[in-house]
Amino acid sequence: EVQLVESGGGLVQPGGSLRLSCAASGFALSDHYMDWARQAPGKGLEWVGRTRNKANSYTTEYAASVRGRFTISRDDSKSSLYLQMNSLKTEDTALYYCVRRVFVAFDIWGPGTMVTVSS
Amino acid sequence: QSALTQPPSASGSPGQSVTISCTGTSSDVGAYNYVSWYQQHPGKAPKLMISEVTKRPSGVPDRFSGSKSGNTASLTVSGLQAEDEADYYCSSYAGSNIFFVFGTGTKVTVL
Repeated sequence: EVQLVESGGGLVQPGGSLRLSCAASGFALSDHYMDWARQAPGKGLEWVGRTRNKANSYTTEYAASVRGRFTISRDDSKSSLYLQMNSLKTEDTALYYCVRRVFVAFDIWGPGTMVTVSS
Repeated sequence: QSALTQPPSASGSPGQSVTISCTGTSSDVGAYNYVSWYQQHPGKAPKLMISEVTKRPSGVPDRFSGSKSGNTASLTVSGLQAEDEADYYCSSYAGSNIFFVFGTGTKVTVL
């Protein structure tokens, strides 16, 4: 079964850091572009960023709202994707989803991991 | 980059059709045939329903269809069923600076 499972969420103070992980199974992570998206409580979806696959040099891109603070990385040998979040703000509070991308659509979503930024 | 505009709510009786609009700009929806639609039930992750404006992934009922005209894309759900009650979000590729933008979301109620 094709599956993504996020972990690492929790409560962090403003200005703090957190690292999210995403475990992929049922498919070859190395073949795919992978993205992160988020959803603030009771709000809509927001694209966070993406990493290309090995064939495209693992290049990354980010939404303007997180650029310079968040970093996406991956370890294909461990079938894992990561999101390093630094200088966290209260507005980063959201459910973070790991997402597999096929061309321009997000076809597989994990259940999400909740990040709460509060003092 | 602003979110794509969707109506907050839409409704229909079982068996009827409902159409949801998704309005963007000439830099996103209007520029590319790269609009996707996602269904999200409460407490669940989104599910891909339509990609590239009109393509249905395997397993998605053919009651779901997509279209686009200018800067506005649409999702039509025909033959409404109780399980179609959910939030629906559109998404569009928006070029190599913005990348992806989602819609504001529409809550579909089956009366």
